[in-house]
Amino acid sequence: DAGVIQSPRHEVTEMGQEVTLRCKPISGHNSLFWYRQTMMRGLELLIYFNNNVPIDDSGMPEDRFSAKMPNASFSTLKIQPSEPRDSAVYFCASTPHYSTGELFFGEGSRLTVL
Amino acid sequence: GDSVTQMEGPVTLSEEAFLTINCTYTATGYPSLFWYVQYPGEGLQLLLKATKADDKGSNKGFEATYRKETTSFHLEKGSVQVSDSAVYFCALSDSLSGGYQKVTFGTGTKLQVIP
Repeated sequence: DAGVIQSPRHEVTEMGQEVTLRCKPISGHNSLFWYRQTMMRGLELLIYFNNNVPIDDSGMPEDRFSAKMPNASFSTLKIQPSEPRDSAVYFCASTPHYSTGELFFGEGSRLTVL
Repeated sequence: GDSVTQMEGPVTLSEEAFLTINCTYTATGYPSLFWYVQYPGEGLQLLLKATKADDKGSNKGFEATYRKETTSFHLEKGSVQVSDSAVYFCALSDSLSGGYQKVTFGTGTKLQVIP
């Protein structure tokens, strides 16, 4: 079975550029989560969706960050404009609705903003 | 609100030593508890879980028991191997109305096992 698929795995960009990270959740999973991981802050929940609807975006750091889930099999996290402090590993995770809460993580997208 | 507190790392052990990583939690409801493991360059993956009080989760020689009275879920392994070197995250999941799950992670504990 395919797991959660993220792309790109690595992205290096310059400050001010737009960055788009992509995620394909496991088929049949209704909930999707975006996390950011850094050495300083650990694992932070940015936003999560249920049935393609954003339920909680209180973790999105600022207006430069936006996330969409146009359908059940695809989500994007966009940063515009990017800044060096956005450098981190961004993880996508999914889980079935009404589950016990076990999350299935992708391998992450490592973003470096110069 | 919900929170998870786990011991600071890094933890350095010799191969075949006994491992304990402490985890305590605060939750308003009746959460499920999890340990996730993250190997270098990879995403988190579920190691074990327990869904109610007194349940014991186990996998790959690791164990943790859901202790409601002490609000704890300590991770243990009797004999660690070099291949266990990773970052370990304690987490809880609380059900919200509508069937949504709110998942809260601890800060992670890095384990290094030396030969």
